[in-house]
Amino acid sequence: RKEVEQDPGPFNVPEGATVAFNCTYSNSASQSFFWYRQDCRKEPKLLMSVYSSGNEDGRFTAQLNRASQYISLLIRDSKLSDSATYLCVVNPLNTGRRALTFGSGTRLQVQP
Amino acid sequence: NAGVTQTPKFRVLKTGQSMTLLCAQDMNHEYMYWYRQDPGMGLRLIHYSVGEGTTAKGEVPDGYNVSRLKKQNFLLGLESAAPSQTSVYFCASSLWDAGNEQFFGPGTRLTVL
Repeated sequence: RKEVEQDPGPFNVPEGATVAFNCTYSNSASQSFFWYRQDCRKEPKLLMSVYSSGNEDGRFTAQLNRASQYISLLIRDSKLSDSATYLCVVNPLNTGRRALTFGSGTRLQVQP
Repeated sequence: NAGVTQTPKFRVLKTGQSMTLLCAQDMNHEYMYWYRQDPGMGLRLIHYSVGEGTTAKGEVPDGYNVSRLKKQNFLLGLESAAPSQTSVYFCASSLWDAGNEQFFGPGTRLTVL
């Protein structure tokens, strides 16, 4: 089983739609969680961290469910510029690894 | 600030050739990382460094070596390239540990024939 699993998509949605992605992780002791965004043929960039209580940044809302070991990303009022691949990222601190584990990404295509 | 830079941007090698990828950061970050990204596989950690003079193995270290002689530079070496090493290589850095935001370079596209 992969440490971080995501639906690869693509999710094709019209402008203005609301779309949600889920991601599951296998290491129950994981401490830090993030969503990164990667545009085509570009480097990943941090979109937002995910906090236990959930957090919002403009049109983006991230949630963490430790009991079920998944995190989610909700995008409201989708824009064409939101088209990208969204990477779910986990930091499994208890394994002694000082690095992040990346999911393979969910591709979003927002259509006019 | 340039952030994280990588050289070269593209490279084609023949099987058995060697090369070094250079990563430089000007943010005074302690941690640096080398990843490879393949279709459907996501980013996989090759090696990382928690400070000048230190290196450690990641998830897929075989066939690669690294050095961090200066805090701002992290070099990735391929001693004898193989077609399985055809990939996009990203370098990243973070201020402290992996709980902090990682800043990525623009990537190096490597093809091994």
